[in-house]
Parts: sequence; C-alpha cells; structure tokens
Amino acid sequence: RKEVEQDPGPFNVPEGATVAFNCTYSNSASQSFFWYRQDCRKEPKLLMSVYSSGNEDGRFTAQLNRASQYISLLIRDSKLSDSATYLCVVNRGGGGADGLTFGKGTHLIIQP
Amino acid sequence: EPEVTQTPSHQVTQMGQEVILRCVPISNHLYFYWYRQILGQKVEFLVSFYNNEISEKSEIFDDQFSVERPDGSNFTLKIRSTKLEDSAMYFCASSEPYREAFFGQGTRLTVV
Repeated sequence: RKEVEQDPGPFNVPEGATVAFNCTYSNSASQSFFWYRQDCRKEPKLLMSVYSSGNEDGRFTAQLNRASQYISLLIRDSKLSDSATYLCVVNRGGGGADGLTFGKGTHLIIQP
Repeated sequence: EPEVTQTPSHQVTQMGQEVILRCVPISNHLYFYWYRQILGQKVEFLVSFYNNEISEKSEIFDDQFSVERPDGSNFTLKIRSTKLEDSAMYFCASSEPYREAFFGQGTRLTVV
C-alpha cells in the first residue's frame, strides 16, 4: 500500500460547485495531517491542518478518520482561483522533526 | 508575514560539478528540511535537521548530499557531484515542533 494515496484527477468542476477530495495513509503512527495546495511550478502552500474533530476554514472543511486512516477535504462554492493541485500530507509519526510524506496530489480545474 | 527564502531561483550546472543551494528559514523555527520534486512527480523528503544535526534522512539522501547550518540564519544543501537525475526543484522548509512546515519558493536545479 502506498504511504499516502490520492486520486490524481483531474477533477473538472464548474465554478460555484462543491468538490471533495479523499486521501488514505498507511502509517498508523502518523500524528499530523495537512492539506497543501500547489500551483504549477510553485512551492506547496499550507491550506489547512487536519484535526480529529474536523475543522473548517471559510469554504474549506477537512476531516480525519484515524480508524480508517482517511482524510478528506471539501471545498464549497468553488472559485476559479481554487484551480490547483491539492496535496495530502502526513507526518510519519514520532518527533516533530520527522519528514512529511506527500501524496502525488489531486489536480482540480474550476471551469467558468 | 515571515517566509522561507531560497537562492538561487534557478541553477544550471554541468554533470559532476558541486552545487550549493541556500535557504534562510523562518527566524524562530528550529526544524529545517529539504525536499525535492522531479518534474511531474510528487514532493519527496530528503532530510530534516534539528539542533545542528541531521535528525532523519531518506534513502535519496546518499553520500553525495550534505547539509549545513553555517551561521545563525542560513541552511544549505550541497550536492557533491551532480548527476543528470538530480535535476529537480529543491524546496527548503522550516517548522516549529509538531507544526506545519512552510516552504520556500524553491531552486530549480538543471544538470546538463
């Protein structure tokens, strides 16, 4: 099983729609979970951290299911500027200096 | 807003040459990282650095690679004898303990 697995897409979604991404991870010892977005040839930028209780930031909602080792991201009322690759990122577990494991990313295209 | 800065933005080097990629992490962060992304592929962890020593490294980070914090602000990645397959975008990142990592804008390394 791959360490962090995502549907690569692309997801073609009309502006204003709601879109959901899923991610699974294999390391049950993982402690920290994040969604990053990456624009073409740019650095990954933190979108939001993911907590067990679920968390929301404006139009974005993230959920974590530790039992199923599953992370989700929901984007409501999508904007053209949401077009990007969304990276599911998991800490390998253990101390704070552990490297992050990235999924390959899900490519989102918002269409006018 | 504090940010991670990297220089140069693009480096072209001949195979077999040494390169040094430079990074200035966010000033109050204690954990530093190097990642790389080969064009079209996922972001891959190379090494993490804490308290003036390597805390973890991946299988990619072989004897050709080294890291150093030569002073209180810079963090460098050296590749001793570059190969064609070292061509990639190299991202520096920094974080506080158990917190999200913030990435620099990257150095695009092209080995010819």
